[in-house]
Amino acid sequence: AQSVTQLGSHVSVSEGALVLLRCNYSSSVPPYLFWYVQYPNQGLQLLLKYTSAATLVKGINGFEAEFKKSETSFHLTKPSAHMSDAAEYFCAVSTGFQKLVFGTGTRLLVSP
Amino acid sequence: KAGVTQTPRYLIKTRGQQVTLSCSPISGHRSVSWYQQTPGQGLQFLFEYFSETQRNKGNFPGRFSGRQFSNSRSEMNVSTLELGDSALYLCASTRTDLAGKLFFGSGTQLSVL
Repeated sequence: AQSVTQLGSHVSVSEGALVLLRCNYSSSVPPYLFWYVQYPNQGLQLLLKYTSAATLVKGINGFEAEFKKSETSFHLTKPSAHMSDAAEYFCAVSTGFQKLVFGTGTRLLVSP
Repeated sequence: KAGVTQTPRYLIKTRGQQVTLSCSPISGHRSVSWYQQTPGQGLQFLFEYFSETQRNKGNFPGRFSGRQFSNSRSEMNVSTLELGDSALYLCASTRTDLAGKLFFGSGTQLSVL
């Protein structure tokens, strides 16, 4: 079964620092991978998705992710954190028919 | 364009009762899926409907059911509520050509006392 693993339930960075959120996938075939963000008391919003067109995927709000087959990874990065980036981030893999399997989430804390 | 609308936003029920949650998808989206979010289990897939047919179902007991109407609006029902059913229930809609890009509503926060 396809799954994703997010390393680190909490990540703390200073404003302006690099953001790196880790996600590893388990799939026997090239997967569709996603990063979603959830702000407090809201639903999830898609940041970016990987569909095998390009290994480096650019998303909204300055985030990007690189698909590395050799490492089975799809880590999310942003060069410079902003206070407004504080939220929970979920990596997910599509298993067909619009069904997503989500990771356990990483809460990003940004300090001034 | 209006987003995914879920009603009600908050709900308090007692054990043994049943509850119905409603979801109105984005106009033109024929696929609606439901997810349960809890601190302990995270985000778990409940089921997905497309053109009034259930296409996929997660590992939840039969107390959890859903349906979709001809206008793509969807409802999910939970019967004989248990304390463990307390959760944020999220609805998401999409089109087939969006390859898994889901648009989520803000959810219904269900508390079972």
